[in-house]
Amino acid sequence: EPEVTQTPSHQVTQMGQEVILRCVPISNHLYFYWYRQILGQKVEFLVSFYNNEISEKSEIFDDQFSVERPDGSNFTLKIRSTKLEDSAMYFCASRDRAAGNTIYFGEGSWLTVV
Amino acid sequence: AQKVTQAQTEISVVEKEDVTLDCVYETRDTTYYLFWYKQPPSGELVFLIRRNSFDEQNEISGRYSWNFQKSTSSFNFTITASQVVDSAVYFCALSEDWMDSSYKLIFGSGTRLLVRP
Repeated sequence: EPEVTQTPSHQVTQMGQEVILRCVPISNHLYFYWYRQILGQKVEFLVSFYNNEISEKSEIFDDQFSVERPDGSNFTLKIRSTKLEDSAMYFCASRDRAAGNTIYFGEGSWLTVV
Repeated sequence: AQKVTQAQTEISVVEKEDVTLDCVYETRDTTYYLFWYKQPPSGELVFLIRRNSFDEQNEISGRYSWNFQKSTSSFNFTITASQVVDSAVYFCALSEDWMDSSYKLIFGSGTRLLVRP
């Protein structure tokens, strides 16, 4: 069964460092997302991406965040200068409108900022 | 504005008991989708069900069943004969469909289910 894959599964970084989280969405999906879950809290929308541009972003997604689809398969989330409060599980997701609009999630990348 | 409320923070049951997880939603749209996801201790989000706003039929899948009631804006999830492997956090989520490019999930705060042997 096709799935969304994310790397790394866990990353520890120092405050102020840049981090890139990588995702390979399901191959025929056209809509991509990043969500965040701080430990013990709800899953929060960060950004949606379609047709090579951001279609919507939340107030969490400030200038420190950026997304990119550098080639036909990868979808990345960059945090420019990490803060302690960026420590969270980051989920990549994708959907195919033709297949019923279900959003499928990857297994997550756990980011720890120290 | 969209909102999903899962009032039950944590539920603890003994194996083989039935358990119902509540979900109440708010939306201004007439077209929307409702979802349940399971998050086991390993952390991934596992899709369980999607229901659109025009389909109020209840659904059963094995030990799982869902009761969608538009009149009360609820989409409750029942596990029959619970098992230890059902222990997880369960999230209810909503997506409005008014503009395709804005389609996204809004999650409730989740219900942690603990099934004891």
